[in-house]
Amino acid sequence: DQQVKQNSPSLSVQEGRISILNCDYTNSMFDYFLWYKKYPAEGPTFLISISSIKDKNEDGRFTVFLNKSAKHLSLHIVPSQPGDSAVYFCAASGTSYGKLTFGQGTILTVHP
Amino acid sequence: NAGVTQTPKFQVLKTGQSMTLQCAQDMNHEYMSWYRQDPGMGLRLIHYSVGAGITDQGEVPNGYNVSRSTTEDFPLRLLSAAPSQTSVYFCASSGRPETQYFGPGTRLLVL
Repeated sequence: DQQVKQNSPSLSVQEGRISILNCDYTNSMFDYFLWYKKYPAEGPTFLISISSIKDKNEDGRFTVFLNKSAKHLSLHIVPSQPGDSAVYFCAASGTSYGKLTFGQGTILTVHP
Repeated sequence: NAGVTQTPKFQVLKTGQSMTLQCAQDMNHEYMSWYRQDPGMGLRLIHYSVGAGITDQGEVPNGYNVSRSTTEDFPLRLLSAAPSQTSVYFCASSGRPETQYFGPGTRLLVL
């Protein structure tokens, strides 16, 4: 029973265009949603998060949108850069925020 | 600040051996966690701690022990290694619900 799902294993975009990464969840008790970027042989790096009481959070080129009724969130990267090529994980936490539930990850490739 | 540090970076064990993966953080975070990452499965929570002296199980706790005697350290012990425990292990710490910081990982191979 996977509570957080990333249904697209990979995404390929052109440099300068928008990258949209999607994530679905089933547990309506999640309080926070987080996005991480991961390069090979490194730990995940925190990118951006959103509280369940908000529907949008923006930080530079990164924007996360939350649709609670659809139990869906997305990460928009604009404009995409070759250095953004990595695996992106969405994660969710409840009242005990030491516990994250992760999706399977999406490999993003940005072509020059 | 060093952030979250993990040792060793890489370890090979034989089936049945025991070992301890070390994790330390210098951010005075109350929450610390251990995850394992396997191909195609994202990261899964093994054990977590909400403060010194307090630990609880995550999604995949079998075969692992933890203790939290100080705020800074959260070691993960493999009692009797099995090939199914071959994985990459990440330690994380958090002081706020909207973010969690990860260490660089320990790659473990059990033969």
